[in-house]
Amino acid sequence: GQSLEQPSEVTAVEGAIVQINCTYQTSGFYGLSWYQQHDGGAPTFLSYNGLDGLEETGRFSSFLSRSDSYGYLLLQELQMKDSASYFCAVIDSWGKLQFGAGTQVVVTP
Amino acid sequence: EAGVTQFPSHSVIEKGQTVTLRCDPISGHDNLYWYRRVMGKEIKFLLHFVKESKQDESGMPNNRFLAERTGGTYSTLKVQPAELEDSGVYFCASSQDTRKNIQYFGAGTRLSVL
Repeated sequence: GQSLEQPSEVTAVEGAIVQINCTYQTSGFYGLSWYQQHDGGAPTFLSYNGLDGLEETGRFSSFLSRSDSYGYLLLQELQMKDSASYFCAVIDSWGKLQFGAGTQVVVTP
Repeated sequence: EAGVTQFPSHSVIEKGQTVTLRCDPISGHDNLYWYRRVMGKEIKFLLHFVKESKQDESGMPNNRFLAERTGGTYSTLKVQPAELEDSGVYFCASSQDTRKNIQYFGAGTRLSVL
């Protein structure tokens, strides 16, 4: 079947670095996306990897290894506002997203 | 530029009633997606419109759900009759180009079926 696995929760202090891993088993893989969602809010696009390697966008980076069916999101210099849920999602060629269950990131002072 | 808007933001209905959710995508976005998150579960794909045509409706749970996109602009998702298991948050997203791989989500409609 098709599935994505990511940790349910990660806790870290302000200024720390957090890595959220995502492994997937799907058909029709085109790329891996990451979305952030604050409580009650809209999921917001963070990053996309279509090819193997690292993509960097400010304090956030994302990595993909297609041969390992694995990716991660790296959050650096954590801030309190980064407390949110983070979702990895496999995207197919038509843009359809298949989401993981989400990782709750809790940032403490 | 206005983002994706959905309404209502909340809807509480009784089992057996009908509810219609609306989504206004970002102007010019041909691709419109519906997703939903049932309590404690992951966000799941429901269907995808390209302009007014249904490109993929493989995620629609059953024939109680009907989605339309009149004129390729706004979209509606009707649930008739609603059942308890339909409770959850329904998200709409739009994108300009699937190759750009960025979807813009609305804040969702929280549906409670009692």
